[in-house]
Amino acid sequence: AQTVTQSQPEMSVQEAETVTLSCTYDTSESDYYLFWYKQPPSRQMILVIRQEAYKQQNATENRFSVNFQKAAKSFSLKISDSQLGDAAMYFCAYRSWDNTDKLIFGTGTRLQVFP
Amino acid sequence: DVKVTQSSRYLVKRTGEKVFLECVQDMDHENMFWYRQDPGLGLRLIYFSYDVKMKEKGDIPEGYSVSREKKERFSLILESASTNQTSMYLCASRRGLNYGYTFGSGTRLTVV
Repeated sequence: AQTVTQSQPEMSVQEAETVTLSCTYDTSESDYYLFWYKQPPSRQMILVIRQEAYKQQNATENRFSVNFQKAAKSFSLKISDSQLGDAAMYFCAYRSWDNTDKLIFGTGTRLQVFP
Repeated sequence: DVKVTQSSRYLVKRTGEKVFLECVQDMDHENMFWYRQDPGLGLRLIYFSYDVKMKEKGDIPEGYSVSREKKERFSLILESASTNQTSMYLCASRRGLNYGYTFGSGTRLTVV
C-alpha cells in the first residue's frame, strides 16, 4: 500500500523569504500523480501544484515549485517570496495512475508566515 | 467555477443520533468523495461514488454509510453517532480520472 509522509508538523517563514516543505512517499508503482494542496483557515482545500511521475521536469506555478526526486521518492514544495496569504496547512497527496481515483494524503504541515 | 457545497459548517449531535451530512456539486461530476480530517492523521477516505446509486468503501468506512440518489448529491450518514466520530468532514468531486478535485469547505462535527 502507498503511504505519504510529511515529517514537519509546523514550519515558519518570514515574509518575502523562501521556505521548503518536505514530503516523501512509498510506492511500488512506476506511474502516479503527486499533489500539494493548501488548506487556509477557510478550510477549502486548494490545489497548489501537480506532478506526473513520468515527467522529469519539475512542476512550477508562479511562486510555487517542486523538487521531484523519483528515485528517492521525495516531493518537496518550495514557496518563494512568501506572502502572509500563504499561511495555511499544506498537504502532500499521492494518486495512482490507473487506480480507483483515491487520493492518499500526508498528515500535513502548518506554515506560519511572519511579517 | 465548480462549487461543492456542504450544507453545514458546524454541527453538534448527541451520541446515538442518526446524522446526515449533505454535499452538493453543481457541475455534473461523476465522482464524489467523503474524507475525514483529523489532526496528525491527515485526510482519510471514508466512501466514494462513481455514479448514481454506486458506492465504494474507502479506508475507514466503519460506522458510516452513504447515499447517492441524484448525481449532484452525495450524503454521508452516521447511523448511530459516537464521540470518536467527532471530526472535520470534507466532501470532494471530480469529473473523471484526468481532472482535478474540487473540495467543499468542510463540516466540523462534534458528537457529545
